[in-house]
Amino acid sequence: DAMVIQNPRYQVTQFGKPVTLSCSQTLNHNVMYWYQQKSSQAPKLLFHYYDKDFNNEADTPDNFQSRRPNTSFCFLDIRSPGLGDAAMYLCATSRDWQYDQPQHFGDGTRLSIL
Amino acid sequence: SQQGEEDPQALSIQEGENATMNCSYKTSINNLQWYRQNSGRGLVHLILIRSNEREKHSGRLRVTLDTSKKSSSLLITASRAADTASYFCATDDGGFKTIFGAGTRLFVKA
Repeated sequence: DAMVIQNPRYQVTQFGKPVTLSCSQTLNHNVMYWYQQKSSQAPKLLFHYYDKDFNNEADTPDNFQSRRPNTSFCFLDIRSPGLGDAAMYLCATSRDWQYDQPQHFGDGTRLSIL
Repeated sequence: SQQGEEDPQALSIQEGENATMNCSYKTSINNLQWYRQNSGRGLVHLILIRSNEREKHSGRLRVTLDTSKKSSSLLITASRAADTASYFCATDDGGFKTIFGAGTRLFVKA
């Protein structure tokens, strides 16, 4: 089945230690998104890729970076995680960058900071 | 910025009852979507309603949209324990970006 897969499901890192989260998709969608979701809150868009074009949200901290080496894979790098970065990180895809495109989500990576 | 706000924040009902969740938004939209999120999982797209539509059905789901009141409702009929989840409305920002509300947490008691 076509899907969005995130690895790992749970990640524990130390304060200030860089961490990378990964996402892969078999849907062959053009757009990939990274969201941060804290407990009982709305998913917050960090950035998205339309194909290879990177689009950063204005309020995304510089601490967060992303890479999309090919259509199928996208990575979220947190360079120096702080306690406030503990959250669920969701990857999503959509076929195109249009307002009527439903997004397909992975099951997320829950990040804990020690 | 949060476009959609769901009401109530939490809802607890008995299996077999209907569940109604509401979403209000601030600015003009092209469409509105509803998503479900089971605990510890990703969001799943349920239904999309366009701004020129007033009502849409999908199985036990019924969505209405009132653009004059800038509001939408999601009705789940004959709820099941498996419907226990958080439900999010999502609107566009007038362009191509999707903005999610904070969600309604639905608990269906067996």
